[in-house]
Amino acid sequence: RKEVEQDPGPFNVPEGATVAFNCTYSNSASQSFFWYRQDCRKEPKLLMSVYSSGNEDGRFTAQLNRASQYISLLIRDSKLSDSATYLCVVNPGTYKYIFGTGTRLKVLA
Amino acid sequence: DTEVTQTPKHLVMGMTNKKSLKCEQHMGHRAMYWYKQKAKKPPELMFVYSYEKLSINESVPSRFSPECPNSSLLNLHLHALQPEDSALYLCASRRTTGDQPQHFGDGTRLSIL
Repeated sequence: RKEVEQDPGPFNVPEGATVAFNCTYSNSASQSFFWYRQDCRKEPKLLMSVYSSGNEDGRFTAQLNRASQYISLLIRDSKLSDSATYLCVVNPGTYKYIFGTGTRLKVLA
Repeated sequence: DTEVTQTPKHLVMGMTNKKSLKCEQHMGHRAMYWYKQKAKKPPELMFVYSYEKLSINESVPSRFSPECPNSSLLNLHLHALQPEDSALYLCASRRTTGDQPQHFGDGTRLSIL
């Protein structure tokens, strides 16, 4: 089993739709969790950290379920500009970060 | 705008050349990283420096040689690379305290002829 698993997609959704991605992790001792967005041929950019109580930033909501060892990202009212690859990143409490394979999102006009 | 600056943005080199990639950050981060990323794959960790000392080497071939001259700079020296080393090379940094995210530079796209 991979340490961090994501559905690679692609998820093709119409503009205005709500879309959700899940990410599972295997190390129950993992301490911090992040979602990054990566556009084609660009660097990953931090979208949001994921907190135990869940957190929201505009149209984006992140949730953490420690019991089931997964995190989720919900995007409401999708925009064309949301098209990208979304990387789930887990830190087990060391300097090393574990990346999921990424989920590709295409928002269609 | 990225707070981690990488140079050059693009590099084409032959297999016998020696070149260096540079990374600079002024956020006071004391952990710095090199990653290699191939198309449609996640970043793959190469090296981690913490407090200017090499703390992680992910069994990277010796043709890649990292260097951390001070707390703001990270170099990656390249020598006798192979065509399969063509990739996007990403530098990242983070604070060493707390559950902190990494901040990435915009990368160097490397092509080996």
